[in-house]
Parts: sequence; C-alpha cells; structure tokens
Amino acid sequence: AQSVSQHNHHVILSEAASLELGCNYSYGGTVNLFWYVQYPGQHLQLLLKYFSGDPLVKGIKGFEAEFIKSKFSFNLRKPSVQWSDTAEYFCAVSRSSGSARQLTFGSGTQLTVLP
Amino acid sequence: SQTIHQWPATLVQPVGSPLSLECTVEGTSNPNLYWYRQAAGRGLQLLFYSVGIGQISSEVPQNLSASRPQDRQFILSSKKLLLSDSGFYLCAWSTKNSGGANFAQFFGPGTRLTVL
Repeated sequence: AQSVSQHNHHVILSEAASLELGCNYSYGGTVNLFWYVQYPGQHLQLLLKYFSGDPLVKGIKGFEAEFIKSKFSFNLRKPSVQWSDTAEYFCAVSRSSGSARQLTFGSGTQLTVLP
Repeated sequence: SQTIHQWPATLVQPVGSPLSLECTVEGTSNPNLYWYRQAAGRGLQLLFYSVGIGQISSEVPQNLSASRPQDRQFILSSKKLLLSDSGFYLCAWSTKNSGGANFAQFFGPGTRLTVL
C-alpha cells in the first residue's frame, strides 16, 4: 500500500520568506506526483504535477517542486511567499488500477503567511 | 472548458436520516469519477471511484454507497447517517487518456456535511 507523508502540519512565515514544504511517499512502482492547494473558502486546485522527464517542475504562482527518486521526495518550494499564499497544501501520489487513477493524499500542511 | 458541480454546498442532517449528494461534470465525456472525504485536520480519503456508468469501486468499508446512473453524474448515498459521517465531501474527475499529462484529477467545490 502506498502512503504520503507531509511532516509539517502548520508553517508560519513572514512575507518574502522562502518556503519549502516536505512530501515523502512510499510506492514500489512508477509514480505520478501532485501538489494541490486549497485557499480559504475555495475548492481544491492543482498547483503542479510530475509525470516524467525533468524532475524540477514549475507550477502556477511561482511554485516549483523537485522529484528526488532516491529520497522518495517531492518537496514544494517558493523563493518568496506572499500573504495570498496562505492556504492548505496537499501532496498526492497516483497509482493505477485499470483505467482509474486513484490519488493518495498526504494530511496537508497549513501555510500562514504574515503580512 | 470542463466544470464540476456539487450540491448541496452544506447540509445538516440528524443521525439515522438518509443522504444523497450529487456531483455532475460538464465539458467532458466518459470521465473517471471519484468521491473523497476530508475530515477535520486530516487529508483526503478516497471513498469510491467509477470508470463508467454503473461501475463503482469502493476503497474503504463504510456506511456510504455510490452510484453512477449517467456518464457525468456521480451520487453519494447513505440509508442511515452516523455521527462519524460528518465531514467535507469532494467529487473529482479525470480523463482516461493513458498519456501521463492527463493523470491529474480536478475537484469540485465540495459539500460540508454535519450529522447531529
């Protein structure tokens, strides 16, 4: 069975600080990796995704994530956060069963950016 | 463009009452459909997924059931709600294209269910 671990449950940063949110997964096969974001009062949105190729992927709003296969990690980064980045962030990994693509999510990290 | 709708947005139900949550997708055909539950302070847990009309797979044993009467309609039901069914229920869809670029799932706005 696969699992996803997000070690930081709540991160508090000041504006312009750099961000790194950890995500580790356990899965014995080919992985697709995702970061989703849920802004206050909004629905879950895809931030970025990794399927293959360049392990450094760039997403919306200046976010990026690096897939390190040897560490089973897919950490999310942003060099300079803004107050509007306050949200809950979820890492997810997909496995396949037939034509379905089930996602396993981490427990989420609440990011609070102080103005 | 594709859109996904869920209703109701919020629901308060007594223990033992029935439940029906609906999800519909527009702008795509033959999608995979999913129901997730997000409990307070926890991540998302996959409850059911469907690859086609009438085809339902359950991920965890529970008090809930799902049905897919039409291609773009997915319903989450219960005959008798429990207190533990309270949570935030999310519907999602994805394509069936085997290409890696289409493995992403796209989520609806969710339904907040409170069982009293």
